[in-house]
Amino acid sequence: KQEVTQIPAALSVPEGENLVLNCSFTDSAIYNLQWFRQDPGKGLTSLLLIQSSQREQTSGRLNASLDKSSGRSTLYIAASQPGDSATYLCAVRPPGAGSYQLTFGKGTKLSVIP
Amino acid sequence: NAGVTQTPKFRVLKTGQSMTLLCAQDMNHEYMYWYRQDPGMGLRLIHYSVGEGTTAKGEVPDGYNVSRLKKQNFLLGLESAAPSQTSVYFCASSRDNEQYFGPGTRLTVT
Repeated sequence: KQEVTQIPAALSVPEGENLVLNCSFTDSAIYNLQWFRQDPGKGLTSLLLIQSSQREQTSGRLNASLDKSSGRSTLYIAASQPGDSATYLCAVRPPGAGSYQLTFGKGTKLSVIP
Repeated sequence: NAGVTQTPKFRVLKTGQSMTLLCAQDMNHEYMYWYRQDPGMGLRLIHYSVGEGTTAKGEVPDGYNVSRLKKQNFLLGLESAAPSQTSVYFCASSRDNEQYFGPGTRLTVT
């Protein structure tokens, strides 16, 4: 059974710092990996999706990398801002037609201190 | 576009009561999903649908039923609510890879 782990569970950094959030998964046979952001009391917002054949994806100050063979993904946030404070979740999708079930990590709660 | 919407936003039920949660999407997505989010457990898939008129079980389907009579709507039903169903419920939809989530329904069963 696929398991997704995110360490640390919480992270606090001063504004302006670059930071890395980690996601690891036990079964390297994945179709894709998705990073989400969740603000308190809100739904999930998709940030980046990386297909299994890709190594990284970038959107603005965010860069996500994928090393499928080692079962790891990182989300790099450049020049962090207080507005980046949220919980960040990663999720993996298994391969195969008809496989829609995402397995989520429990998230990393990020606080960016002004 | 409104994206994915959920009704209601909050609800308190007594044990044994029934209710239906409504999810609607205006993106013409084929696939729709119901998740629950619990502290320390993360998000878990309850049921999903790959198209109008079709549904399938996810990781934690017991105690829930679903229906997809129209492509844009996905209903989640609780026939006899239990305190263990206290949770935040999220609906999501996708065309293929990327899932888009609704704002959630906070349900408390007393």
